[in-house]
Amino acid sequence: QKEVEQNSGPLSVPEGAIASLNCTYSDRGSQSFFWYRQYSGKSPELIMSIYSNGDKEDGRFTAQLNKASQYVSLLIRDSQPSDSATYLCAPKGGSSNTGKLIFGQGTTLQVKP
Amino acid sequence: EPEVTQTPSHQVTQMGQEVILRCVPISNHLYFYWYRQILGQKVEFLVSFYNNEISEKSEIFDDQFSVERPDGSNFTLKIRSTKLEDSAMYFCASRSGGDRELFFGEGSRLTVL
Repeated sequence: QKEVEQNSGPLSVPEGAIASLNCTYSDRGSQSFFWYRQYSGKSPELIMSIYSNGDKEDGRFTAQLNKASQYVSLLIRDSQPSDSATYLCAPKGGSSNTGKLIFGQGTTLQVKP
Repeated sequence: EPEVTQTPSHQVTQMGQEVILRCVPISNHLYFYWYRQILGQKVEFLVSFYNNEISEKSEIFDDQFSVERPDGSNFTLKIRSTKLEDSAMYFCASRSGGDRELFFGEGSRLTVL
């Protein structure tokens, strides 16, 4: 089983729609979760962090966490063409106290004008 | 806004040559990391560094790799004898502490011929 699983996509949505990105993880000890955005050829850029079960909203972005199901998601409302990128799910390694993040393969999002 | 800086942005080298990639983490950060991303693949953890020593390393980080913090600002990754499969984007990241996120540099693209 992969440590972090994401559907690689591409996920294609029209401009203005809601994009839903999903992630499952295997390490039950993970307590902190991060979503990064990566444009082609660029470095990962933090979008959201979430630490507690439930929803966390920040502007057009909502992260959802369910630790019992080992599931974390990211919703992007009113999707814009500039949101077209790869979205990386990154739990903090639960068994590690070094703060390292374990990245999923990423979901490529395409927002069509 | 503080940022992680990396040099060089791109390096081309011959197989078997030594390469040093340099990073200047954010000044008040305490935890430092190197990740790599082979083209089309996921971001992979290489090593974490805290309190002037390696705190964790992955299976990828074999004897050919080393890290050093030679002064109060720089954090370097050395690859002793490069192989073709070392061709990748190498990202340096830093973190302040606690459960805070990692901040990534722009990356150094290494091409081994």
